[in-house]
Amino acid sequence: NAGVTQTPKFQVLKTGQSMTLQCAQDMNHEYMSWYRQDPGMGLRLIHYSVGAGITDQGEVPNGYNVSRSTTEDFPLRLLSAAPSQTSVYFCASSYSKQPLYEQYFGPGTRLTVT
Amino acid sequence: DAKTTQPNSMESNEEEPVHLPCNHSTISGTDYIHWYRQLPSQGPEYVIHGLTSNVNNRMASLAIAEDRKSSTLILHRATLRDAAVYYCVTGNQFYFGTGTSLTVIP
Repeated sequence: NAGVTQTPKFQVLKTGQSMTLQCAQDMNHEYMSWYRQDPGMGLRLIHYSVGAGITDQGEVPNGYNVSRSTTEDFPLRLLSAAPSQTSVYFCASSYSKQPLYEQYFGPGTRLTVT
Repeated sequence: DAKTTQPNSMESNEEEPVHLPCNHSTISGTDYIHWYRQLPSQGPEYVIHGLTSNVNNRMASLAIAEDRKSSTLILHRATLRDAAVYYCVTGNQFYFGTGTSLTVIP
């Protein structure tokens, strides 16, 4: 199993550009989530999904969109990038949310917005 | 949602036990307590989780206070590979907080 994969590893955007961060898992996990981690900080939950077709907001959802059309994929879209979105983004998956089992994290995408 | 409080940093000598504390005084009755750790430039890695009873696995032990307002992650013999940031996580929104940076001294 590849586990949780994320692409790209690094990305530089200009303010106002849009992009999609890709996340995929091959463990047939129901629950997937996106976090951001700013320098010296812990992770903050952006959006999560408890299954295909179902998404919900986390702690810091503004400026981000998600969709979940398949069990395997959970892309994160930035519609109009801002410098405040410069961060490292982690995708995670888990067998289920209630209760929340062990989450498996991807290697992260380091995003810089200039 | 429950939030957690941890010391910013701790040190331990190699091969000695380490006790990492966490306060989660607003935890609800159904929230699990999770611990993750993060090595530099990597994603977090699951360590252990529990609800009410103490838990053991191959990596660590988790001691949960009777009132569930605090917990302690126990690494029985710290190794250099255990140097990481340790996060105590709980609540529906899975708040990570800033964690405890563990330094292991050879």
